[in-house]
Order: sequence, then structure tokens, then C-alpha cells
Amino acid sequence: GDSVTQMEGPVTLSEEAFLTINCTYTATGYPSLFWYVQYPGEGLQLLLKATKADDKGSNKGFEATYRKETTSFHLEKGSVQVSDSAVYFCALSESGYSTLTFGKGTMLLVSP
Amino acid sequence: GAGVSQSPSNKVTEKGKDVELRCDPISGHTALYWYRQSLGQGLEFLIYFQGNSAPDKSGLPSDRFSAERTGGSVSTLTIQRTQQEDSAVYLCASSLGTLEGYEQYFGPGTRLTVT
Repeated sequence: GDSVTQMEGPVTLSEEAFLTINCTYTATGYPSLFWYVQYPGEGLQLLLKATKADDKGSNKGFEATYRKETTSFHLEKGSVQVSDSAVYFCALSESGYSTLTFGKGTMLLVSP
Repeated sequence: GAGVSQSPSNKVTEKGKDVELRCDPISGHTALYWYRQSLGQGLEFLIYFQGNSAPDKSGLPSDRFSAERTGGSVSTLTIQRTQQEDSAVYLCASSLGTLEGYEQYFGPGTRLTVT
């Protein structure tokens, strides 16, 4: 079955540091890929998505590129802020079927 | 506009009791999903409803779990004879449809604790 693997956290960074959170997936078809974010005390929010190979999703300074050859969708940000502290979930949905399969989440802690 | 709402926000129950969790989706959203977020298991799909179609129950972990959606809007997730392993945050999401590209909007969740 489908699965998503993402790096374990917590990831601890200083403000303005570069962020990478790795995500790889296993799927039978050609899935859409997503990053969701869960801020403390809040619900899950879609951060960005990509629906086909080589697409780049971007939002709020975060980026991720759909790499079919390496089955990866790594999340990056050039300069993190304290307000980026949250749990980040990588997810996929199979083409034409929108139920999400999630990774286990990576907690990001950014200190001033 | 109003987002997805869930009630109660917290529920503590004794092992063996039945519980009902409620979800109010965004008005006009035809698709509704239930997920469970637990330590060690991450986020797991439970069930989804799309319009008047039969629900996809493939993620329900046991026959103690059931869900219904009345009038294509509000949904109730029922857990019978609760067990300690049912302790988790239950999340509801809704979307305009089930085709890829339709964003799922999540509610704040119901934290269930079974003692």
C-alpha cells in the first residue's frame, strides 16, 4: 500500500537558518503530494502541494519539488522564523482519489 | 466564513462506554473525511463520505467504529465499547469534492481519552 516516510524530529534551528525536512513516498500510481502544517493549538492547514512530477509547490517562503525519480518531496525554507515552529506532515493522495496518506510528522522548533 | 467545527473538543470516557463525536463541515462541501491522530501511529484515514455515494469505510480499525452523515452535512463518528487504544485526536475534514486538487480543510479535532 501507499506510505510516506519523513524524517523524525524534533528539528531544532536558530532563526534565519536553512530548513530541510525530508519526505519520501511509496505509491502504486502517480500521486499528488502535499505538505500540511499544524501550529500549536491549531488544526491542520495545507501549506503547499504538487500534482505532477517536477512541479514545485510554494507558500510562505516554503518550497518542495515533486521528484518522481527519487520518490521524494522534501520541504525547504531559506530562512526560518520563530513563527514557523510547528509540526509538518508530508502526505499523498492517489490520482483521482483524495484520501490522504500521511507521514508521522516532523516537529520544528525555531529559537530566536 | 466558518470553517470545519467539531464537538466536543475534549472527551474523557471510561473503558467500555460508547462515545459520539460530531463534525460540522464547511457549507457546500460534498466530501467529508474522518482521520485519527495518535502517538506512534501518526495520522490515519478512517472513513469518507462523498455526496450520496456509499461511504468508504476501508480505514475503520474495527467494527466498534461507525459513522454516518445526515442530509449530506453533519457527520457523527461513533465508537462503541471504547478501549484504551482508542485514545487519540479525531480529526474531521471537508472538501468541495474528491478529485485531486480539492483542498481538504481540517477541523480542530476532538481529543478522546479512554480511562
